[in-house]
Amino acid sequence: SYALTQPPSVSVSPGQTASITCSGDKLGNKYVCWYQQKPGQSPLLVIYEDNKRPSGIPERFSGSNSGNTATLTISGTQAMDEADYYCQAWDSSTAVFGTGTKVTVL
Amino acid sequence: EVQLVESGGGLVQPGGSLRLSCAASGFTFGSYALSWVRQIPGKGLEWVSSISGSGGSTYYADSVKGRFTISRDNSKNTLYLQMNSLRVEDTAVYYCAKYGSGSSNWFDPWGQGALVTVSS
Repeated sequence: SYALTQPPSVSVSPGQTASITCSGDKLGNKYVCWYQQKPGQSPLLVIYEDNKRPSGIPERFSGSNSGNTATLTISGTQAMDEADYYCQAWDSSTAVFGTGTKVTVL
Repeated sequence: EVQLVESGGGLVQPGGSLRLSCAASGFTFGSYALSWVRQIPGKGLEWVSSISGSGGSTYYADSVKGRFTISRDNSKNTLYLQMNSLRVEDTAVYYCAKYGSGSSNWFDPWGQGALVTVSS
């Protein structure tokens, strides 16, 4: 079955850039979206179709996807961005989530 | 504003059954596919099942196929998940989520979740 792999954790200083990778076989041929989940909350869509931001999501969130890797980039990271982040893609009619990355803002 | 509100979670013994409901508002219910996604506390997200807007097409993860049934009542703006032969490993928070659609699909928004605990 198709699998998406993310690093378990990423640490970033406030105001710096955080990059979260998501790896899967020929992932660049699929659309990827990203969800943010803060403790005790439901997931929130932050990027869809590789690089599009839903209404209300700050411009500091951006995405890219090529080859076998998709990347979520948080520019000028703020303390409020500390959360778990999950990538997601489709394999036929099955939704596949990444393993998740905990972003810590030090 | 789009809202999804799950209900029906609780404690059930292994081998038992439970039905989750997801009441929707703020959008044309029958025009959108919906999904159930679960999360073991402290762990990652796992897609469970999806259903088309008409209800005519359904999809399941291998881990629940044959035990869970997704359905919807478009007259009541409600999504359901009938869970039978429950196992300890089905313990999780179950979220319903609306499909966004464009060139692909995504989940937006998500409900607040319903906790299902399978334990003797």
